[in-house]
Amino acid sequence: DAGVIQSPRHEVTEMGQEVTLRCKPISGHNSLFWYRQTMMRGLELLIYFNNNVPIDDSGMPEDRFSAKMPNASFSTLKIQPSEPRDSAVYFCASTPTGKVYEQYFGPGTRLTVT
Amino acid sequence: KQEVTQIPAALSVPEGENLVLNCSFTDSAIYNLQWFRQDPGKGLTSLLLIQSSQREQTSGRLNASLDKSSGRSTLYIAASQPGDSATYLCAALYSSASKIIFGSGTRLSIRP
Repeated sequence: DAGVIQSPRHEVTEMGQEVTLRCKPISGHNSLFWYRQTMMRGLELLIYFNNNVPIDDSGMPEDRFSAKMPNASFSTLKIQPSEPRDSAVYFCASTPTGKVYEQYFGPGTRLTVT
Repeated sequence: KQEVTQIPAALSVPEGENLVLNCSFTDSAIYNLQWFRQDPGKGLTSLLLIQSSQREQTSGRLNASLDKSSGRSTLYIAASQPGDSATYLCAALYSSASKIIFGSGTRLSIRP
């Protein structure tokens, strides 16, 4: 298996632009997590999906952030409009059915907003 | 507030030494405690998971312990190797998969 796939790996954009991060979970996994990692705040859970349904989005920082999972093999995290403080590494992780604590992380997307 | 703390933030030791990484958590009502490894520019790899009813878990040269009453977990690495150089994060999971709190990590460097 290719593991969790994230794209792009690096994204540089200007403040105010829309940014879309993509994630393809491991086939057969039914839970998906989006995290953000910064030096100041460490690793934070943004949102968690189970069977394509958002279960907990309390970690989403504000309305500029939105996440979707239209099917079991694809999820997006969108920031509109982006701000410099959104600069971070964004990770996606998926877990096998019935094993939500066995998380497999993707390589991350490094976002820089100038 | 549920917090997870890892001290020290960075550690450098010569190859071959045994070492201990520390993790403390403020809320002892955890469901489980996980240790992850993160290499530069990469995602996290799970090393060990300890259920709340367990006291320790072992995998190869790694041993993780859990003491809920004192709010502490340790990761013991035996006979360290340069390939062990990475950032090690612990994470406490509470009640559900979405209540996971990560520590800020210990950056470990093993000198040849």
